[in-house]
Amino acid sequence: EDQVTQSPEALRLQEGESSSLNCSYTVSGLRGLFWYRQDPGKGPEFLFTLYSAGEEKEKERLKATLTKKESFLHITAPKPEDSATYLCAVFNNAGNMLTFGGGTRLMVKP
Amino acid sequence: NAGVTQTPKFQVLKTGQSMTLQCAQDMNHNSMYWYRQDPGMGLRLIYYSASEGTTDKGEVPNGYNVSRLNKREFSLRLESAAPSQTSVYFCASSEVRGADYEQYFGPGTRLTVT
Repeated sequence: EDQVTQSPEALRLQEGESSSLNCSYTVSGLRGLFWYRQDPGKGPEFLFTLYSAGEEKEKERLKATLTKKESFLHITAPKPEDSATYLCAVFNNAGNMLTFGGGTRLMVKP
Repeated sequence: NAGVTQTPKFQVLKTGQSMTLQCAQDMNHNSMYWYRQDPGMGLRLIYYSASEGTTDKGEVPNGYNVSRLNKREFSLRLESAAPSQTSVYFCASSEVRGADYEQYFGPGTRLTVT
């Protein structure tokens, strides 16, 4: 059974204070690892898909990296508008389903 | 493009009532999904449809039925609502394009069962 664990559950940062969110996973054949951003009262917003260990993708202040056991979402010099819950999910070779982690709630104070 | 749309946005039901949540996508995606999101439980898959004419159970299908009406539309039905079905429901659609896979979500339906 695929499992995804995200840490920390919540993270408070000062504006400009860089940090990383962790996503650890076990999956029977990784087809892709996904990062989403979710604002309160809204649906998850697609950020990245990573497909193989060593891959990196960037979008504005966010950079996602992937190893064989975990993924990191690095946030460089965050701004208050980066405050949201960040979700990680894995997609395995066997099926059509994503398995989600519990999310990390990020709060960036000005 | 509207992407993935869902109706209604909010709904309150009494125990035992039935209702259908509607979902439509305009991205010409083959696959569509229904999730529920509960505090502390994350997003859990209820049902999915890999292509028009097919549906399969996800992690938490009990108490729900689905219909893939056509390529654009995928509905979720609660035949006899229970308080345990109080949740936020998200529809999603996806496509594999070569080596790329992306899944997009709708804005959600917040359902309360009293």
